[in-house]
Amino acid sequence: QVQLQQSGPGLVKPSQTLSLTCAISGDSVSSNSAAWNWIRQSPSRGLEWLGRTYYRSKWYNDYAISVKSRITFNPDTSKNQFSLQLNSVTPEDTAIYYCAAGVYGMDVWGQGTTVTVSS
Amino acid sequence: EIVLTQSPDFQSVTPKEKVTITCRASQSIGSNLHWYQQKPDQSPKLLIKYASQSISGVPSRFSGSGSGTDFTLTINSLEAEDAAAYYCHQSSSLPQTFGQGTKVEIK
Repeated sequence: QVQLQQSGPGLVKPSQTLSLTCAISGDSVSSNSAAWNWIRQSPSRGLEWLGRTYYRSKWYNDYAISVKSRITFNPDTSKNQFSLQLNSVTPEDTAIYYCAAGVYGMDVWGQGTTVTVSS
Repeated sequence: EIVLTQSPDFQSVTPKEKVTITCRASQSIGSNLHWYQQKPDQSPKLLIKYASQSISGVPSRFSGSGSGTDFTLTINSLEAEDAAAYYCHQSSSLPQTFGQGTKVEIK
């Protein structure tokens, strides 16, 4: 059974980079039948899909247009995890961030990380 | 971007009552519609996949139907533990999007 464990800081200063990691157990980040997503939730935006990374003989990333210029996903096969980096954060990026496994429906979710952007 | 609109936003229901939540898509998404339950301070949990496919471990009182643009989540015989927010989600096209949520309260 797939499980996802998130880690990363809960407080980030404006203009800095938000970095979160999602460790996978029960599957491989480089599985040819999986996809690894980042989703955030805030009162103003609701649930917002940020994008996904997946492996199909090579790595692919899909990003939401709203964050495309600021976001990067990095799969780490040696640690079987994937990470999110969001640059130049503002208070509008304050949210609960989730990683989730699923190509279509999100079958499994991480526990969530509350990230506050504040000086 | 496909917009998903749920109704109602809020529903107060007595136990054993039937609950119906609808999700309308701004364009046809086939059956690429999924439902989640989120209880306070918890991550969302997948309830129904591809509009009507049941998920192992989810009580049989939860069911889904629909295709194209109109979808329904039904909770038969509501139980107290079903108090939660419910969200629809489409994976038909990128960006994937979610409905705004329906909060179900137990009277």
